[in-house]
Amino acid sequence: SYELTQPPSVSVSPGQTAGITCSGDKLGDKYACWYQQKPGQSPILVIYQNSKRPSGIPERFSGSYSGNTATLTISGTQAMDEADYYCQAWDSSTAVFGGGTKLTVL
Amino acid sequence: EVQLVESGGDLVKPGGSLRLSCVASGFTFSNAWMSWVRQAPGKGLEWVGRIKSNTDGGTTDYAAPVKGRFTISRDDSKNTLFLQMNSLKTEDTAVYYCTRCPWGYFDYWGQGTLVTVSS
Repeated sequence: SYELTQPPSVSVSPGQTAGITCSGDKLGDKYACWYQQKPGQSPILVIYQNSKRPSGIPERFSGSYSGNTATLTISGTQAMDEADYYCQAWDSSTAVFGGGTKLTVL
Repeated sequence: EVQLVESGGDLVKPGGSLRLSCVASGFTFSNAWMSWVRQAPGKGLEWVGRIKSNTDGGTTDYAAPVKGRFTISRDDSKNTLFLQMNSLKTEDTAVYYCTRCPWGYFDYWGQGTLVTVSS
């Protein structure tokens, strides 16, 4: 079955840039999305179709691609960005999520 | 404002059945492709399955762990999505989210409903 691999955790200092990667076989041929989930809350979409931001998502969130790795970049990271982040893509007719990355802002 | 409100979560014994509902508002439900996504306690997100709009055939797709046991359906007259879960296993214990999924991404999520499978 298809798998997306994310680092379990990433740490960043306030105001710095955080990068969270997501890798998968032939991921470059698919669209990747990213979701943010804070404790006790439902996930929210922060990036779709590789690099598009939904309305209401701050400009500091961006998405990019290189080969078979998608990257979520948070520029000028704020304390409120501390959360779990999940990447997601489709393999044939099946949606697949990465295992999630816990972003710590310290 | 888009709203998705799930209900029906409960404590059920292994081998039992449960039906979840999700009432949608704030968009044209009949045109929407919808999915269920679940999250086991302390774990990550797991896609359960999706249903296309009836104008796109109304067909369903399921994740391997639930295929043959779970059924997704919809009642467009009531703006409601359903998840019928049969032959439940302890590993089905999770919060179940209803999501809208246009063009392959999940843009709106409900608050979730907890299903606990335990003897």
